[in-house]
Amino acid sequence: NAGVTQTPKFQVLKTGQSMTLQCAQDMNHEYMSWYRQDPGMGLRLIHYSVGAGITDQGEVPNGYNVSRSTTEDFPLRLLSAAPSQTSVYFCASSGNSYGYTFGSGTRLTVV
Amino acid sequence: QQQVKQSPQSLIVQKGGIPIINCAYENTAFDYFPWYQQFPGKGPALLIAIRPDVSEKKEGRFTISFNKSAKQFSLHIMDSQPGDSATYFCAAQTGANNLFFGTGTRLTVIP
Repeated sequence: NAGVTQTPKFQVLKTGQSMTLQCAQDMNHEYMSWYRQDPGMGLRLIHYSVGAGITDQGEVPNGYNVSRSTTEDFPLRLLSAAPSQTSVYFCASSGNSYGYTFGSGTRLTVV
Repeated sequence: QQQVKQSPQSLIVQKGGIPIINCAYENTAFDYFPWYQQFPGKGPALLIAIRPDVSEKKEGRFTISFNKSAKQFSLHIMDSQPGDSATYFCAAQTGANNLFFGTGTRLTVIP
C-alpha cells in the first residue's frame, strides 16, 4: 500500500518552461488536493477535486491547471513557470474530505 | 489574511517537558480542527483532530484543548521526547476544500 505517490521529488525549471507534477493514490479516495508550502506561510491550497471529472480552484490557483480523469491520478500543470512558483508542492487525498494523507512532496526551483 | 494564526514560530524544550502550541481562528463555520506533524523532507502527517463540540481530546501523549467561545485551540505534548522534534501545523476546515493551515511551529526537544 503506497498511499500518495508524487513524482518527481526534485525539479529545476527555467522561467517560462512548463511541466507536470504527478500525483497518484491507491486508497480509492475521492478527495484530492494540491498544496504549496512556503517558509513562514504554512500550506496553501492550489486546486482540489471531489471526484473524477470534478475540479475547482483553491486559495492560490493562478499559473496552475489540474485535471482528474481517474480516481487515482491528479496531475498539476505549471503552464509557464515563474520564480514565484519556487516552492515545495504536496498532493493529498482523503476518503471523506477530512483527515488528508499527504505525499512526500516535490521541491521545485524556477530559475 | 491568515485564517488560522499559530504561535510560537519555534519552541525548544528539554526532554520530558510539555510544549504547548497555540492556534486561533475567526471563522465560526470551521467544524474540524486537525494537527499535522511534519519531519524534514516528508509530507505532513495527521496527528490528532477535534470537533468543536468537544473541549479536549487525548491520543497517547498528545492532547488538544479546544475553547469554542474564545475561538482558540492548542496542542500539548506530554513527556516530550527527542523523536517529537518536528514542525507542527494546526489547521481548520469546513467542507472538502476549505482546509486552512497555520504557519507552523518548529519544535526541538533537547535530550
